[in-house]
Amino acid sequence: DQQVKQNSPSLSVQEGRISILNCDYTNSMFDYFLWYKKYPAEGPTFLISISSIKDKNEDGRFTVFLNKSAKHLSLHIVPSQPGDSAVYFCAASDGSQGNLIFGKGTKLSVKP
Amino acid sequence: AAGVIQSPRHLIKEKRETATLKCYPIPRHDTVYWYQQGPGQDPQFLISFYEKMQSDKGSIPDRFSAQQFSDYHSELNMSSLELGDSALYFCASSFGTGEINYGYTFGSGTRLTVV
Repeated sequence: DQQVKQNSPSLSVQEGRISILNCDYTNSMFDYFLWYKKYPAEGPTFLISISSIKDKNEDGRFTVFLNKSAKHLSLHIVPSQPGDSAVYFCAASDGSQGNLIFGKGTKLSVKP
Repeated sequence: AAGVIQSPRHLIKEKRETATLKCYPIPRHDTVYWYQQGPGQDPQFLISFYEKMQSDKGSIPDRFSAQQFSDYHSELNMSSLELGDSALYFCASSFGTGEINYGYTFGSGTRLTVV
């Protein structure tokens, strides 16, 4: 049973516009959520994280929003750039041992 | 800065053979995690080690074993390989398990193909 769900396998956005990537989870024990970016033939690269005690975390063009009541988080990229084109994984941890549970990823394509 | 090094990058094995994947964490990192990503799938947690002891176990088959050595590098040993073991195997490292808010650093992965 998938505990972290990314229901959109792909997303296409025009350069300069906002990209919104969504993630839903089922386990209310998760206390940290992370977004990773992955290029082909490379390992996932950490982007941004958010603790369950917060509802927003911002780092440059990247902002993650957390809605605990809805068990939903989203990653906003503004403005989107062609170099942002990659697969984005949402991941969660319950903090007990530190291992991460990943979603299936969303492939973002930013068109010039 | 030094990253997580995985070797080999690519590996082709026949069914029923054995394979050993290696992971060298970032210097000072004492925790290693192994993940398996099948084609079109999300990375699945296999096993982790902290200070050379197994700290958590995920969906690792009994045919697989792993250990962390005194220099903190880790090896994933896979025996009686099956076609379904073909996947990308990622290793990640961290300093302890408390820095999760900074994310873990992943290696570039080993692509294992079983034929």
